[in-house]
Amino acid sequence: AQKVTQAQTEISVVEKEDVTLDCVYETRDTTYYLFWYKQPPSGELVFLIRRNSFDEQNEISGRYSWNFQKSTSSFNFTITASQVVDSAVYFCALSEAQIDAGNMLTFGGGTRLMVKP
Amino acid sequence: EPEVTQTPSHQVTQMGQEVILRCVPISNHLYFYWYRQILGQKVEFLVSFYNNEISEKSEIFDDQFSVERPDGSNFTLKIRSTKLEDSAMYFCASSEGQAYRFRTARNQPQHFGDGTRLSIL
Repeated sequence: AQKVTQAQTEISVVEKEDVTLDCVYETRDTTYYLFWYKQPPSGELVFLIRRNSFDEQNEISGRYSWNFQKSTSSFNFTITASQVVDSAVYFCALSEAQIDAGNMLTFGGGTRLMVKP
Repeated sequence: EPEVTQTPSHQVTQMGQEVILRCVPISNHLYFYWYRQILGQKVEFLVSFYNNEISEKSEIFDDQFSVERPDGSNFTLKIRSTKLEDSAMYFCASSEGQAYRFRTARNQPQHFGDGTRLSIL
């Protein structure tokens, strides 16, 4: 069975601080995909990144960066120079990569990030 | 940019009534999904749909629930005999077809609609 754990339920930072959101996952599959989604106060789910289990390269996109470490089953998300608009709930998610599988996403419990001016 | 659209944005229904939540997935996507998020909790998978049939469903998706793709564009979730605990935000999502490499699927990102908030009174 798959499981995603986001141990930090809430984080509060002051604008311009860097912040890292932790994600730890469990799966018996050797091939899988990891995702991060953002849920702003308006409620929609916004896709941020997908990473497959073969690719452990870190990725940077503007102020966002992701650190995937297969050895520790972690896929952490860092926001540098945080802004008030980054305030949202962030979800880490996992899916298997089996042929004809439903590709269901298993979500973590989410981390609520509050960035104060 | 194409997006998944869901209607209505908010649905209020009396307990015991049937409700249909509607979704229009992105037009070239082949996989469709429903998820549920009870207020303040995590997003939970309900069902995935491909090639006009359910490909996977969770324990939550019991006989009370059904999905349908009645035409080439809509994807619906029907909840029969609604209960108070069905109150939640329901998200529809869609993704492109899978590509295969080394006999595994390359899972395309699922793109979510803005959700329908279902309130059961």
